[in-house]
Order: sequence, then structure tokens, then C-alpha cells
Amino acid sequence: SQTIHQWPATLVQPVGSPLSLECTVEGTSNPNLYWYRQAAGRGLQLLFYSVGIGQISSEVPQNLSASRPQDRQFILSSKKLLLSDSGFYLCAWNPGRSFPTPLYEQYFGPGTRLTVT
Amino acid sequence: AQRVTQPEKLLSVFKGAPVELKCNYSYSGSPELFWYVQYSRQRLQLLLRHISRESIKGFTADLNKGETSFHLKKPFAQEEDSAMYYCALSGPKGAQKLVFGQGTRLTINP
Repeated sequence: SQTIHQWPATLVQPVGSPLSLECTVEGTSNPNLYWYRQAAGRGLQLLFYSVGIGQISSEVPQNLSASRPQDRQFILSSKKLLLSDSGFYLCAWNPGRSFPTPLYEQYFGPGTRLTVT
Repeated sequence: AQRVTQPEKLLSVFKGAPVELKCNYSYSGSPELFWYVQYSRQRLQLLLRHISRESIKGFTADLNKGETSFHLKKPFAQEEDSAMYYCALSGPKGAQKLVFGQGTRLTINP
């Protein structure tokens, strides 16, 4: 069966420091991968998605970047954190099937709570 | 553009009472809709999808294309139903993206 992992679970970083959050998926190949930020009262905001190795699409301009160095690995990064980067970050995967009909269900990791001080 | 509206941020009902979480959407085409749930200290998980026409944990949701709604209903609420609920809509073609509503926090009072 498929599983998705995220680490770390919690992180406290000072303003201006770098960031690296990791997400890995097991038990599937060629998944679509997604990074979301979940904020109270604002729902889930899609930050980045990837349909393959090295293929990254950004949904919103921001201080963050994403990379997909391996098929089942998705990394969220920043060179210099801002206070506004604090939040709960979720990684999700989707089987990536689009034929005969697209599968839209996404499956979420446990999340990372980031606090920028 | 696709959009999902959950008009209630908070909803509180008594145990045994019926519950309805509202979801309205805007989409030019044939949408797929989902309900996700997040229980306390657990990860966000898929509750149900409209194409399956299923009942999960006593919850059902019917897609009403005329009213562009996908309300989540349960006839008799239980305390373990207390959670955050998100309605989601299939996004633009490619990458199988989802558009999420802002969520409704449901509290079931004993």
C-alpha cells in the first residue's frame, strides 16, 4: 500500500534562516506531488505541484521554492525565511493517472508545523 | 475560475441531531467533488467523492448541478464527528489539482 511521509513534524527557525522540508511517497511510481499551506480560516492554499522529476509549477508568488530530485521525493525550501512563512505545510500525492479518466483524489501527509521567530 | 465556498466557518450541533455542512462551487464543465475530513491530531483524509455515491460513516453528499452545491449530510450526529471538514473541487485540467474551500469546523455537543 502507498504511504506518504513528511519531516520534520515541527520546526522552529529564526527569520533569515534557510528551510528544507521533505516529503516522500512509498508504494507508487510517477505520482503527482503537491505542497499546500493550511491556515486557520483560509483553507488549503496550493503552493507548488509536480507531475514528474524536475518539473515544478508554482501557484503563488512567494518566498518559497520546491524541487523534485527523485520520483517520489518532493522538497520545499527557502533561502531566507520570513515571519509570514510560519504555518502548517502539507504534502499530498495523486496517482497521476489521466487515462481513461483523470483521478483527482489526493492523499495527504501528516504535515509540518513551521514557526518562524 | 473554479471556486469552492463553504459559508460556515463554525458549526455546532447536539449529538443525535441532523447535520448539514454546506458547499457551493463554481465550475464551467463537469466537476468532480470531494469531502475531506481532519480529526484532531490526524492527517487530512478523503471522506467521500460524489462519483462513488457512497455513504461513509453515515455521511452522504449529493451533487446538485442546478444549485451548484455538494452539501454533506448526516441524519444523526455523533460526538466522534467533531472535526474540520473541507469541500474540494477538481481543478483545471492537468496535474489533477484540487481547489479547496475554507473549511467548516464541526463540533458535536453531548
